[in-house]
Parts: sequence; C-alpha cells; structure tokens
Amino acid sequence: DIQMTQSPSFVSASVGDRVTITCRASQGIRSWLAWYQQKPGNAPKLLIYAASSLQSGVPSRFSGSGSGTDFTLTISNLQPEDFATYYCQQANSFPHTFGGGTRVELK
Amino acid sequence: EVQLVESGGGLVQPGGSLVLSCAASGFTVNSNYMSWVRQAPGKGLQWVSIIYSGGYTDYADSVKGRFTISRHNSKNTLYLHMDDLRPEDTAVYYCARNLGSNTYSGLDYWGKGSLVTVSS
Repeated sequence: DIQMTQSPSFVSASVGDRVTITCRASQGIRSWLAWYQQKPGNAPKLLIYAASSLQSGVPSRFSGSGSGTDFTLTISNLQPEDFATYYCQQANSFPHTFGGGTRVELK
Repeated sequence: EVQLVESGGGLVQPGGSLVLSCAASGFTVNSNYMSWVRQAPGKGLQWVSIIYSGGYTDYADSVKGRFTISRHNSKNTLYLHMDDLRPEDTAVYYCARNLGSNTYSGLDYWGKGSLVTVSS
C-alpha cells in the first residue's frame, strides 16, 4: 500500500496568515492527489483534485501543487471558517490511502 | 441537488452483521463510481471500498472477504454489507461519489455518515 505522510500534524495560525501543508507519498502517484477539509461533526469536503485543480465552489485562496511524491496545499489569507482538519488522499492506486491529517487551529 | 443519506448504523456484537444503505438523489448511482470511507472515533479517514459504474468492486485489505459493496439501481441506493464485524470496525461510515466517474479525482459528494459500533 502507498503510505501518505502529512506534515505538520498541527499548525497554529492567525486570520490572514498563509498556511502550507505538505503530503508525501511513499511512491510516485503522478498527479492523483486530492485534498479535503473536515470540520468537527461534518463529512469531509473536497477542496483540490488532481493535485492542483480547484473543486467547484471552493474559494481561490486554496491552492494545490506537486506531482510524483511531494505535494502541498496552501491556504492564503486564512479565514475564520478555514480552521479545520485537512487530509490528503492518493487516488493513483488501491487502496486509496489518506494522510494522517493536519489540524489548523487559531493561534 | 446532489444528496447522499446513509442509514442502517447501530450497535452490533462482535461477529455480527449489519447493512448500511446510502440513498442518492440528484444523480444516478449506477452511472457513477461510488465509495465508502470510514473514520474511527477521534481518528483519521480510511478508504473502505469502491464500486465502478460497470460493477467492478475493490476493498481495503482489512475488510476484504467480510464486507460487500453493492447497489440497487431502481432504488438509486448504495449498500455496504458487513459481516463478521470486529471492534476495530467501529467508525462513522461515509458513502461518497467519485468525481468525474473515475477513480483518480477524489470524492466530490459525501453523506453525513452512519455510526457503527461493534461491542459486546
């Protein structure tokens, strides 16, 4: 199975900050990576697919980049509604493994 | 409007069985790839199973041979049949639609989840 390692596992940030989360795959996954946002008690929400494509309706302050084994999710100008947990998921091969998550909290 | 509504969760004893349902509206289940993902209490997400529009299925190793994904076309409903349940299967189970009717683009619509608790 492909292992997905997210870092950091926790980030403390303020409104207006730029936050970068990284995800590393244990083997190459081309560009088949998705990013999700999850708030407590809610289902995950798709933010980015195919590493850098913004899902419809998602604010443009979210962006993704990378290919192969190294990927990043960047949130520019962090907003109050962005405090949540973020997960990456590789979709290159089964099982479609998720990263361990990154919790973004208010400093 | 696309909606997914899970049902069928509950408390079951180890070794027992349960069937989760996921009723879809706003799109056709059998024309899409559909998945199940679970989340143990306080833990991260784990991919469980997928069914292709053509009927091919795949499973996580941890549930292979015990869980079966299926769909009922006229009811526009996805199912997850779970047998020989173990305490480690305790989780919120989400059904989700694969974006773009392929396996590469992630999951664009999710249900609210159904809690399965396996305990004696």
